[in-house]
Amino acid sequence: NAGVTQTPKFQVLKTGQSMTLQCAQDMNHNSMYWYRQDPGMGLRLIYYSASEGTTDKGEVPNGYNVSRLNKREFSLRLESAAPSQTSVYFCASSAGRSPFSGANVLTFGAGSRLTVL
Amino acid sequence: ILNVEQSPQSLHVQEGDSTNFTCSFPSSNFYALHWYRWETAKSPEALFVMTLNGDEKKKGRISATLNTKEGYSYLYIKGSQPEDSATYLCASNNAGNMLTFGGGTRLMVKP
Repeated sequence: NAGVTQTPKFQVLKTGQSMTLQCAQDMNHNSMYWYRQDPGMGLRLIYYSASEGTTDKGEVPNGYNVSRLNKREFSLRLESAAPSQTSVYFCASSAGRSPFSGANVLTFGAGSRLTVL
Repeated sequence: ILNVEQSPQSLHVQEGDSTNFTCSFPSSNFYALHWYRWETAKSPEALFVMTLNGDEKKKGRISATLNTKEGYSYLYIKGSQPEDSATYLCASNNAGNMLTFGGGTRLMVKP
């Protein structure tokens, strides 16, 4: 029962380098999300995908791109990493077809800690 | 972007103490209030989802209440144990908005 799996767990980058965070869920969920967690702040939504082939911006999308490869996988790419992107990144999924549905309980991955020097 | 606030930011209690903390959220166009528990190095896990004013939910020693008219929810832990140490996150869903998280309350229970 893997749930939501994200890789890598830790990564250190230099400013300007690129990388992709991978996320996969095995619960047949429709919606997937990428959040970032910074000290003293709540989880902030970067991008979400309500279904395969669709993606939409969240609260803090600048500097990121995403791809919903299929129903299972949702990746987050940093094209040119900046120190401001140092954070813990969480992937999540939910069963509902609309991410705006209030009762849409999120299942989270274990997080990826990214440091940009 | 909704304003969801949690207080206190952090809390230290002794084993056996009961404790509670608060989540405040916009009351207009309210749909649902979520509580998640996040232990260090693990995934946040859903505790409760509440939608109706006056809702009370309970899971073991943890319970939550909801007041949608005034826009607040309380999370209670009875007889805190060291394994309750975690960050407790609330999130509000209001019409036309994605789920918006508060900053969390970090609870540390000393044996």
